Amino acid sequence: DIQMTQSPSSLSASVGDRVTITCRASQTVSSYLNWYQQRLGKAPKLLIYTASNLQSGVPSRFSGSGSGTDFTLTISSLQPEDFATYYCQQSYSTPPTFGQGTTVEIK
Amino acid sequence: EVQLVESGGGLVQPGGSLRLSCAASGFTVSSNYVTWVRQAPGKGLEWVSVIYGDGRINYADSVKGRFTISRDNSKNTVYLLMSSLRTEDTAVYYCASGVYSAIDYWGQGTLVTVSS
Repeated sequence: DIQMTQSPSSLSASVGDRVTITCRASQTVSSYLNWYQQRLGKAPKLLIYTASNLQSGVPSRFSGSGSGTDFTLTISSLQPEDFATYYCQQSYSTPPTFGQGTTVEIK
Repeated sequence: EVQLVESGGGLVQPGGSLRLSCAASGFTVSSNYVTWVRQAPGKGLEWVSVIYGDGRINYADSVKGRFTISRDNSKNTVYLLMSSLRTEDTAVYYCASGVYSAIDYWGQGTLVTVSS
């Protein structure tokens, strides 16, 4: 199975900050890397698919980059509704695997 | 509009069985994949199983031989039959789907608690 490792596990940031979350795969996943946001008590929501494609309806302050084994999710200007947990997921091979999550907290 | 509605969660004793249902609308389960993802309390997301439009099925190693995924095309519903349940199967179970490899659509989740 492909292992996905996110860093950091948590971070504290203020509204307006630029936030970067990284995700590393234990082997190549090409561009088959997706990012999800999960607010407390809610189902996950797809933000970015195939590394850099913004899901319809997702604000443009979210962006993704990377390929192979190293990926990044960037929030250009953190908004109050962005405080949540973010997961990366590889869909390159079965089983699809998720990172452990990165919780973005209010500073 | 795509909707996925899970049902069937609840409290079950270790070793018991439970069947989860996922009623889909806005697409046909025989044309898209439908997958189950679970989340133990306070933990991350774990993929459980998938059934593809062509009928192919896969399971996570942690549930292989104990869980069975199936679908009823006439009811546009996917099921997850969970047997020989263990305390570590306690989680919110999400039904989800997508057009390609990313998971576009998620249900609200149903809680399964395995405890004596």
